[in-house]
Amino acid sequence: GQQVMQIPQYQHVQEGEDFTTYCNSSTTLSNIQWYKQRPGGHPVFLIQLVKSGEVKKQKRLTFQFGEAKKNSSLHITATQTTDVGTYFCAGRRSGYSTLTFGKGTMLLVSP
Amino acid sequence: NAGVTQTPKFRVLKTGQSMTLLCAQDMNHEYMYWYRQDPGMGLRLIHYSVGEGTTAKGEVPDGYNVSRLKKQNFLLGLESAAPSQTSVYFCAIRDRVEEETQYFGPGTRLLVL
Repeated sequence: GQQVMQIPQYQHVQEGEDFTTYCNSSTTLSNIQWYKQRPGGHPVFLIQLVKSGEVKKQKRLTFQFGEAKKNSSLHITATQTTDVGTYFCAGRRSGYSTLTFGKGTMLLVSP
Repeated sequence: NAGVTQTPKFRVLKTGQSMTLLCAQDMNHEYMYWYRQDPGMGLRLIHYSVGEGTTAKGEVPDGYNVSRLKKQNFLLGLESAAPSQTSVYFCAIRDRVEEETQYFGPGTRLLVL
């Protein structure tokens, strides 16, 4: 079956440092989505990438979808304590109605 | 969270007991999903439904049953709970017309002793 690997599992940064999490799929994806889950909360949708090589920005967050549509990354510039949480990528294969989630990257930001 | 509610919020069961988790939506979304989340394991799909009266197995369906008798409700049943089913259960919905965004409910924390 499809596998979605995410690295690192955990990262602890000082406020103001940058952060990047990477997502790799064993199969070509139709699209990839990113979610954020705050401690004790539920996953919240951040963004969806569909096109090969697509780059999208949301304020300090930059999302990329690889040319082969098998990998993606989320980069946060100048982290803030409000960025704390676990970031999940989730990929969907063409013809399937379900997402496969990565195991997530837990981000801790110290002031 | 797009009108997704889950009942109950927290439950403690003894091994062998049964229970039903309810996911209810006040939208008109077709797709509904049940996930479980365990530490370090991410979100794993248990069962899902693409419309009223339909259900399908996900990645980890064993030990669970589901029903979607009404479009707005998706029920997850545990017939004989086991300690391995201790987890946080999330329901999610998706609108077929929209961009495939999944909206998650607040979760149900289940402890099986």
